[in-house]
Amino acid sequence: QSALTQPASVSGSPGQSVTISCTGNNNYVGSYNLVSWYQQHPGKAPKLIISEVTKRPSGVSNRFSGSKSGNTASLTISGLQAEDEAHYYCCSYAGTSTVVFGGGTKLTVL
Amino acid sequence: QLHLLESGPGLVKPSETLSLTCTVSGDSINSNFYYWGWIRQPPGKGLEWIGSVFYNGNTYNNPSLKSRVVMSVDTSTNRFFLTLSSVTAADTAMYYCAKIPLYCGGGNCYHFDQWGQGAQVTVSS
Repeated sequence: QSALTQPASVSGSPGQSVTISCTGNNNYVGSYNLVSWYQQHPGKAPKLIISEVTKRPSGVSNRFSGSKSGNTASLTISGLQAEDEAHYYCCSYAGTSTVVFGGGTKLTVL
Repeated sequence: QLHLLESGPGLVKPSETLSLTCTVSGDSINSNFYYWGWIRQPPGKGLEWIGSVFYNGNTYNNPSLKSRVVMSVDTSTNRFFLTLSSVTAADTAMYYCAKIPLYCGGGNCYHFDQWGQGAQVTVSS
């Protein structure tokens, strides 16, 4: 069982917005502003899309945004496009120089 | 542009040791701006952090794997390494190496901003 809990799946229609949650059961998320999000298409390596809760790396679409409230981090994807269909993973610093990943969420674009 | 490439045997027998290499090109592994990580993904499952290693050899491991994991760096060849001992079928996975920026907003970073393409390792007799 992952230390970070994500919904197994979410879905949305093109143009809509979806939000994926990431809740820490040991207050990892709440204690540190060190949550990152990764997008993984089938057969590909993960790609960083959000770091430090809200920061978007160069080249990542501004349709991706991150936030945090208490012990839950969230990834919001606005203006859904077919190419957004992928798995999404959150990751958080967990103290003593360790990190933990969430179990992953499959996004389906209807 | 920095590039990471994993390499190693695709098949390892149960109880033996898995050894993987990550070759870094396009920049020096001996950098004050990055450190390096290993992450794995069993078939059809999620990501699991294995550990991280600094150019000076300092390492941090996932507590669930700690006693079986050894990581090291060879600055002369711009490569870093992972060994995982006493493997079982549960260690069958895609293994990724990744780059981690060292500093973020006044403190250390813990996100993986570049990844290798991955190396598939199967544990089977």
